[in-house]
Amino acid sequence: DVKVTQSSRYLVKRTGEKVFLECVQDMDHENMFWYRQDPGLGLRLIYFSYDVKMKEKGDIPEGYSVSREKKERFSLILESASTNQTSMYLCASSLFYRVVWETQYFGPGTRLLVL
Amino acid sequence: AQKITQTQPGMFVQEKEAVTLDCTYDTSDPSYGLFWYKQPSSGEMIFLIYQGSYDQQNATEGRYSLNFQKARKSANLVISASQLGDSAMYFCAMRELSHTGNQFYFGTGTSLTVIP
Repeated sequence: DVKVTQSSRYLVKRTGEKVFLECVQDMDHENMFWYRQDPGLGLRLIYFSYDVKMKEKGDIPEGYSVSREKKERFSLILESASTNQTSMYLCASSLFYRVVWETQYFGPGTRLLVL
Repeated sequence: AQKITQTQPGMFVQEKEAVTLDCTYDTSDPSYGLFWYKQPSSGEMIFLIYQGSYDQQNATEGRYSLNFQKARKSANLVISASQLGDSAMYFCAMRELSHTGNQFYFGTGTSLTVIP
């Protein structure tokens, strides 16, 4: 079974802090994704990566950056956390690029509260 | 335009009855995949069922079936014999072959509550 883990289930940070959210997958997947989930808005893609050190912006990259130094690990960075970044963050991974039939495998999510 | 539209923010169903969750999609790509996910209150996203654009038959997985109407661009999820454990958020998603971003598009979700 594919296992995607996220470093924290719950996180409370102060405005202006630098925040790191870590995601690790154990199935040698090429692609990794970061989403944020807000009520009534569904899941929105922040960034994704299809290879080590490669990244692509998603729909809402502003205020975020990412790092992928190793294939199994994809980090989401909030350079200076703001209250409007309070949200649920979901990491996902998949093996194949440009196929339509493969699902994404999700981590358990991190609920971030920025005070 | 929204790629995936789920028009039912919340739904109620009696235990043991069937329920249909609506999903419409928008694409000009001839090759695409449609997915349904379940998200219980614990937060993890659970893959339920997949339908490919070229599949001739509707997908089924146990109590889940996908009512795929290609001309109407709809991909409704049908849950038969609802159970209390089916109470969760349900998301419809689409993946397009031609999209270079390799991304999924998600709907806003439907919250299903199963009543004993």
